[in-house]
Amino acid sequence: GNSVTQMEGPVTLSEEAFLTINCTYTATGYPSLFWYVQYPGEGLQLLLKATKADDKGSNKGFEATYRKETTSFHLEKGSVQVSDSAVYFCALSDGGAQKLVFGQGTRLTINP
Amino acid sequence: DGGITQSPKYLFRKEGQNVTLSCEQNLNHDAMYWYRQDPGQGLRLIYYSQIVNDFQKGDIAEGYSVSREKKESFPLTVTSAQKNPTAFYLCASSIRGQSNQPQHFGDGTRLSIL
Repeated sequence: GNSVTQMEGPVTLSEEAFLTINCTYTATGYPSLFWYVQYPGEGLQLLLKATKADDKGSNKGFEATYRKETTSFHLEKGSVQVSDSAVYFCALSDGGAQKLVFGQGTRLTINP
Repeated sequence: DGGITQSPKYLFRKEGQNVTLSCEQNLNHDAMYWYRQDPGQGLRLIYYSQIVNDFQKGDIAEGYSVSREKKESFPLTVTSAQKNPTAFYLCASSIRGQSNQPQHFGDGTRLSIL
């Protein structure tokens, strides 16, 4: 079946550092790919998405490119802030029922 | 503002008790979903519904039940058959039939055992 694998956390960085959170997937067909962010005690918020190969999703300085050849959707940000501290989830949309398949999440902590 | 409202925010269950978690949306979405979140395990799908009066089991449906009598509402009952109910429960909704559309999430209900 379809699956998503994220890099192990937690990840701790200093403010203004470069961020990469790796995400790879296994899927039949051509799924849509998403990054969601979860702040403490809250639900998930959509951060960005990409719906076909070579699409780049971007939002709030975060970017991710849909790479079909490497089945990857890595999240990047050039300069992180303390306010970016959260848990980040990579997910794919599984077919007509639109069920989301999630990675296990990566906890990110940014120190001032 | 349109969105998804989950209530209560915190819920406690006694041994042998059924409890119901509420999920209401005013986004006019046809599809709704329930997920369970445990630490370090990501989100797992419990039940989903793509239209009123119809729903399907997800990956971990045992010990849970749902109903979908109205488009806006998709309550989840955690029954006494669910032996390990302590978790964070998230409800979501989306436009039906378009896999490129994201799901929108509520703020969750945290269920604990007394």
